[in-house]
Amino acid sequence: AQSVTQLDSQVPVFEEAPVELRCNYSSSVSVYLFWYVQYPNQGLQLLLKYLSGSTLVESINGFEAEFNKSQTSFHLRKPSVHISDTAEYFCAVSDTGGFKTIFGAGTRLFVKA
Amino acid sequence: SQTIHQWPATLVQPVGSPLSLECTVEGTSNPNLYWYRQAAGRGLQLLFYSVGIGQISSEVPQNLSASRPQDRQFILSSKKLLLSDSGFYLCAWTSGRSSYEQYFGPGTRLTVT
Repeated sequence: AQSVTQLDSQVPVFEEAPVELRCNYSSSVSVYLFWYVQYPNQGLQLLLKYLSGSTLVESINGFEAEFNKSQTSFHLRKPSVHISDTAEYFCAVSDTGGFKTIFGAGTRLFVKA
Repeated sequence: SQTIHQWPATLVQPVGSPLSLECTVEGTSNPNLYWYRQAAGRGLQLLFYSVGIGQISSEVPQNLSASRPQDRQFILSSKKLLLSDSGFYLCAWTSGRSSYEQYFGPGTRLTVT
């Protein structure tokens, strides 16, 4: 069975500071990895995904994540955060042939002025 | 382009009353459909998924049920609500040709009183 662990439930950070949201997964099969973002009272939106190829993937708004197979991690980073990045971030994993996606418990990023 | 709708947006229901939440997808055919529940401060719990009309897989045995009467319609129901059914209910879809990324609806906030 697959599982996803997000190591931090809340991450407060000052505006323009760097941030890393940690995600570890466990799976016995090949996986696809995702980060989703959720703004208050809204559904989730895909932020970025790793399917294959380059282990470093980027989003259009400056986030990046690196797939580390040996450490079974997929940490999300941004070198300089904005107030508008305040949201909840979910790491997720699905196996390459299945119908289901397993989500982590989420990390609430709070960017302070 | 594809869109996903959920209604109602908010709902307050007394304990013991019935429930019906509806989700519809436009702009695609043969989607895989999902119902999730998100309790306060917790991650997403997969409740049901469907890969075709009339095909429902249940992930969590409880007093909820799901139905898919049409290709792009997914309904979540209950005959008698419990207090523990309160939460944020999200519908999502993926392409039937791949289960890579999920597209979420705006959600329904259910409060059982």
